[in-house]
Amino acid sequence: DTEVTQTPKHLVMGMTNKKSLKCEQHMGHRAMYWYKQKAKKPPELMFVYSYEKLSINESVPSRFSPECPNSSLLNLHLHALQPEDSALYLCASSLSWRTGSTDTQYFGPGTRLTVL
Amino acid sequence: GNSVTQMEGPVTLSEEAFLTINCTYTATGYPSLFWYVQYPGEGLQLLLKATKADDKGSNKGFEATYRKETTSFHLEKGSVQVSDSAVYFCARRVDSSYKLIFGSGTRLLVRP
Repeated sequence: DTEVTQTPKHLVMGMTNKKSLKCEQHMGHRAMYWYKQKAKKPPELMFVYSYEKLSINESVPSRFSPECPNSSLLNLHLHALQPEDSALYLCASSLSWRTGSTDTQYFGPGTRLTVL
Repeated sequence: GNSVTQMEGPVTLSEEAFLTINCTYTATGYPSLFWYVQYPGEGLQLLLKATKADDKGSNKGFEATYRKETTSFHLEKGSVQVSDSAVYFCARRVDSSYKLIFGSGTRLLVRP
């Protein structure tokens, strides 16, 4: 089983709202990732968690706040977003995040976010 | 530098035609190489991968061979189906990087 699940599938929010995206995997993977994908573009890495600790923040604005409550769950908390933040948000996981690893990243189906 | 270059799309083919989507990479080492597919309205699915030179990845009739001499990882399929219509991303990872570096994506449209 190589399934990563994400909820919700679609989300519409105003610029003053607070919402959260959820990601879950039960493959025993210890590295989890958030990506942002704009239309007709490849995914762009936002955050990397390794063993439930934030390892990488790719200079993402503070209105995006990631959280990893346990080894199977990854959240992305959203607050005061801008219309340009509208995109597909993808979660991924891999067995580990160590340099030298050839581990494959498995992606979830994504949450399509629209900010009004 | 580190980059992945894919052929510009869209690629439009008739059903049962032969498919090639070119992918070349630049790297200082020997990166693991991947092809991901994204069907309309969905996330990315791993299609195939290769981790060292001369490896051939294959899945669902698709194949790609890791060519160190030409720094290429071209995707091929002998007979495409309408259901193969999607966007295909070539990607690489090197030992010193946590990142997946994606190509720009190639949209494939297969007509009945």
